[in-house]
Amino acid sequence: GIQVEQSPPDLILQEGANSTLRCNFSDSVNNLQWFHQNPWGQLINLFYIPSGTKQNGRLSATTVATERYSLLYISSSQTTDSGVYFCAVDMWTDKLIFGTGTRLQVFP
Amino acid sequence: DVKVTQSSRYLVKRTGEKVFLECVQDMDHENMFWYRQDPGLGLRLIYFSYDVKMKEKGDIPEGYSVSREKKERFSLILESASTNQTSMYLCASMGEGDTQYFGPGTRLTVL
Repeated sequence: GIQVEQSPPDLILQEGANSTLRCNFSDSVNNLQWFHQNPWGQLINLFYIPSGTKQNGRLSATTVATERYSLLYISSSQTTDSGVYFCAVDMWTDKLIFGTGTRLQVFP
Repeated sequence: DVKVTQSSRYLVKRTGEKVFLECVQDMDHENMFWYRQDPGLGLRLIYFSYDVKMKEKGDIPEGYSVSREKKERFSLILESASTNQTSMYLCASMGEGDTQYFGPGTRLTVL
């Protein structure tokens, strides 16, 4: 089956720093989503981005479907950005396949 | 805003007990999902449902069953809980645009 790999597995930042999270996938996909899981376990959808670039405040995401990767950019990080970031893909079904996540810790 | 609720945030059960985890969504979504989340493994799909009384196995259905008698409610059942089912369980529903909305999760411990 398709493999979804995220890097880095862990990231520690000081408040105000920028970061880039990467998601590689091993096959063509129908869509790709980025999620943030806060320290209390709640998962929130950040982006639905099968291709192209989207921005939402300090966050932006780019998916290059032909090269099978997606990037999530976090600028001017804040402590509230801490948590785990997941990318998830689907292959023309409604079933999402998740990567193993990047754990981000932002310190003041 | 879409709201997905789960019956418990924390649950402790004993080996062999029958366990019910309930999930309710308020947006009339047709598709609902149950995942489990374990360290280092991400989220893995247990079961999903396209409509009332319809269910499909996900990637790890063994030891679980589901029930969807009403559109808004999707229940996950552990017929005989085992210690390897200790995990975080997450429910999601999906609306238009294929975006999945997640509940707050239930952390289940089986002793």
